[in-house]
Amino acid sequence: DSGVTQTPKHLITATGQRVTLRCSPRSGDLSVYWYQQSLDQGLQFLIQYYNGEERAKGNILERFSAQQFPDLHSELNLSSLELGDSALYFCASSRETYNEQFFGPGTRLTVL
Amino acid sequence: GNSVTQMEGPVTLSEEAFLTINCTYTATGYPSLFWYVQYPGEGLQLLLKATKADDKGSNKGFEATYRKETTSFHLEKGSVQVSDSAVYFCALSYSGAGSYQLTFGKGTKLSVIP
Repeated sequence: DSGVTQTPKHLITATGQRVTLRCSPRSGDLSVYWYQQSLDQGLQFLIQYYNGEERAKGNILERFSAQQFPDLHSELNLSSLELGDSALYFCASSRETYNEQFFGPGTRLTVL
Repeated sequence: GNSVTQMEGPVTLSEEAFLTINCTYTATGYPSLFWYVQYPGEGLQLLLKATKADDKGSNKGFEATYRKETTSFHLEKGSVQVSDSAVYFCALSYSGAGSYQLTFGKGTKLSVIP
């Protein structure tokens, strides 16, 4: 158990819908990263937050957004969902930006 | 940009066989290098890491050496077990604008048969 929790574990929804994925980092970790794992693209970095502020953006679509709250949990919002958004979404956290990242178990999103 | 190339799988080995999974990288500067493992239905776990040239990372019988001259970080284990069956990802991180996001290879699925 990495100490990083993600909810829900599974999510099934329809095209055009909007969903929110939640991540609680390890206690004391300030940095949260979001990654997408799909069959086509493999594991890709989406976005990073550090202590409530956006720190870096990767291959994140404009339909996707994220935020980190004062209690340091983070949410990834996916809107106008398409079939191609079906993937495993991982959250990872680290104490500071340069420390080892610990991964959560992931949320499996299926868009029908 | 940064990229990681690792050997395509799947790889099937008999128990106690020798394992090598090749990984090469392209990066500006001097990245840190990692091997992550993903067991079925689980998230990623850090297996080992190396932060500078000639460093050797090791854990649970697995080893990898950071070779700057060949830009490689090959994963090896002398005697695999059935419990090593998983997907292995090579990754790098590099500080660009204060972020250490990971860049992953495509993963290599390892199956070990008794």
